[in-house]
Amino acid sequence: GAGVSQSPRYKVAKRGQDVALRCDPISGHVSLFWYQQALGQGPEFLTYFQNEAQLDKSGLPSDRFFAERPEGSVSTLKIQRTQQEDSAVYLCASSLGAGGEQYFGPGTRLTVT
Amino acid sequence: KQEVTQIPAALSVPEGENLVLNCSFTDSAIYNLQWFRQDPGKGLTSLLLIQSSQREQTSGRLNASLDKSSGRSTLYIAASQPGDSATYLCAVGTGFQKLVFGTGTRLLVSP
Repeated sequence: GAGVSQSPRYKVAKRGQDVALRCDPISGHVSLFWYQQALGQGPEFLTYFQNEAQLDKSGLPSDRFFAERPEGSVSTLKIQRTQQEDSAVYLCASSLGAGGEQYFGPGTRLTVT
Repeated sequence: KQEVTQIPAALSVPEGENLVLNCSFTDSAIYNLQWFRQDPGKGLTSLLLIQSSQREQTSGRLNASLDKSSGRSTLYIAASQPGDSATYLCAVGTGFQKLVFGTGTRLLVSP
């Protein structure tokens, strides 16, 4: 595709519900990243994939957060038992490879009520 | 732990002015530095990428410089236009190329 796409664009979840956020990277991009952006802040790193391998998950805030990229293309970020503090914009980015320019999707705005 | 600071937090200028946005980082062991713009409610648009071996990059009215030893980068915008109004984010590439972001500079260019 022309760019990184994410779905849904907006998600409202009741506290305690599970959510799944999808990212379609640019075709052929090896590296995929997830970031979390709180209101008025810069994005913060969550996790990184190289193809299907999750090489860094040091930014995931708790074991309620889980990400996968089983075929090295589309990725899903899953949040179990959502809490109010999970409300944020979740951004996905992809790049051709090591040290490459990262291209971001439009994000998914998650609101937990 | 890498920390990125952007100054000023907000900037308001009349159309046509040249301006400089500043970014500083605490650890000089970086792979690259990337400047982005973010419009309200939107994702990030990449403006310029400077690899750690480079000193500057230019694209149109934008010029970004990098001084790794002093932990600084600047984004220079020439002849600003109202369409340049946005939040500008600086990010340094570290480790597995993950980006560490500053909190941004909110720019408003008035006609």
